[in-house]
Amino acid sequence: DAGVTQSPTHLIKTRGQQVTLRCSPISGHKSVSWYQQVLGQGPQFIFQYYEKEERGRGNFPDRFSARQFPNYSSELNVNALLLGDSALYLCASSVRDSPGTQYFGPGTRLLVL
Amino acid sequence: DAKTTQPPSMDCAEGRAANLPCNHSTISGNEYVYWYRQIHSQGPQYIIHGLKNNETNEMASLIITEDRKSSTLILPHATLRDTAVYYCIVRVVFGNDMRFGAGTRLTVKP
Repeated sequence: DAGVTQSPTHLIKTRGQQVTLRCSPISGHKSVSWYQQVLGQGPQFIFQYYEKEERGRGNFPDRFSARQFPNYSSELNVNALLLGDSALYLCASSVRDSPGTQYFGPGTRLLVL
Repeated sequence: DAKTTQPPSMDCAEGRAANLPCNHSTISGNEYVYWYRQIHSQGPQYIIHGLKNNETNEMASLIITEDRKSSTLILPHATLRDTAVYYCIVRVVFGNDMRFGAGTRLTVKP
């Protein structure tokens, strides 16, 4: 069975640019969550979406936004990139609105120069 | 902030049991204990979770103390491929986020 997939795997951007990261959940999973993992730290929660609605938001600035599509895939957008946005961005999916067990994708590694 | 405390690193000999402790002294009655691991900055991999009873699956066992203030993840026969960062997380099952701490870096040595 296919797991959570994310694209692209790696990305290099410059300060001030905008980036869009994509995530496809496990088939049958309706909830998608996004996490940021800076080198040497554990993942930090950014957003959770269920049925195209935002259900949770972490402590991230408004430069970060996301959306979920009718097929339950999701996009994470980051505007006005800063050097500090360089990180591994992880997507996780779960079956229900209230995610019990979340299953993570391989991540997108973003480098901001 | 994460609600758990884990040792930053541990070593284990290949073939021996790896026992990873986690302290969660402020855990609430409706919070579960989850364990994930992360290998070489891949996505975290789900291992096991439990509320108050001990749990076992094909990957590991989870032992939760009676007062639920601490737990131990047991990998019964560690292999080199078990070398990873292990995260202990407490969360309400109906919550919408997971709060990761720094985890324990487990190194399995031949």
